Amino acid sequence: EAQVTQNPRYLITVTGKKLTVTCSQNMNHEYMSWYRQDPGLGLRQIYYSMNVEVTDKGDVPEGYKVSRKEKRNFPLILESPSPNQTSLYFCASSLRASGNGIQYFGAGTRLSVL
Amino acid sequence: KQEVTQIPAALSVPEGENLVLNCSFTDSAIYNLQWFRQDPGKGLTSLLLIQSSQREQTSGRLNASLDKSSGRSTLYIAASQPGDSATYLCAVHFEGGTSYGKLTFGQGTILTVHP
Repeated sequence: EAQVTQNPRYLITVTGKKLTVTCSQNMNHEYMSWYRQDPGLGLRQIYYSMNVEVTDKGDVPEGYKVSRKEKRNFPLILESPSPNQTSLYFCASSLRASGNGIQYFGAGTRLSVL
Repeated sequence: KQEVTQIPAALSVPEGENLVLNCSFTDSAIYNLQWFRQDPGKGLTSLLLIQSSQREQTSGRLNASLDKSSGRSTLYIAASQPGDSATYLCAVHFEGGTSYGKLTFGQGTILTVHP
């Protein structure tokens, strides 16, 4: 079954404690990205990756890092989380970034930073 | 600025009604438009993808249309059921811009279908 898998699904942490949210897809997709969803602001792109070792900033990259060492994995790293990063996070993937394909989304990770 | 707007923000209908959700976008230069469903506590499920060159797509009781020139899309749901209750999101992949592959989302329409 085609899937985008995020872990953990729920996370409560404290300010400044580094954390990583993992994302994995089993569809051999080249393109992966991260979004955050906030009430009144909708979904906004954080970072994206066109392929292995190719990453770039989206609309709201401040306070986040990503890496793409393998095609299937695209972890989101918060080096020093702050309360304004409390949000619902989604990982997405598609075959390519060129715009022809469906983008598949993970189930989401709800993060609370105290 | 490339933006997506959805109307109405919320909709409540009795079971069995046919309904239309609206999506408008500010730039007609798009690759595609995708409709998603979001259930509470769950991720986004892709319902329909309409390529720029297409006018409509159908899947079961769902039909999505695209009028690129006027910057509009509609999602038609026939014979609605309580299980259709969810938030429906419209997302546009605009051409150009600095962020490849980015989807620009509307705020969503919260649909409630009551028995």
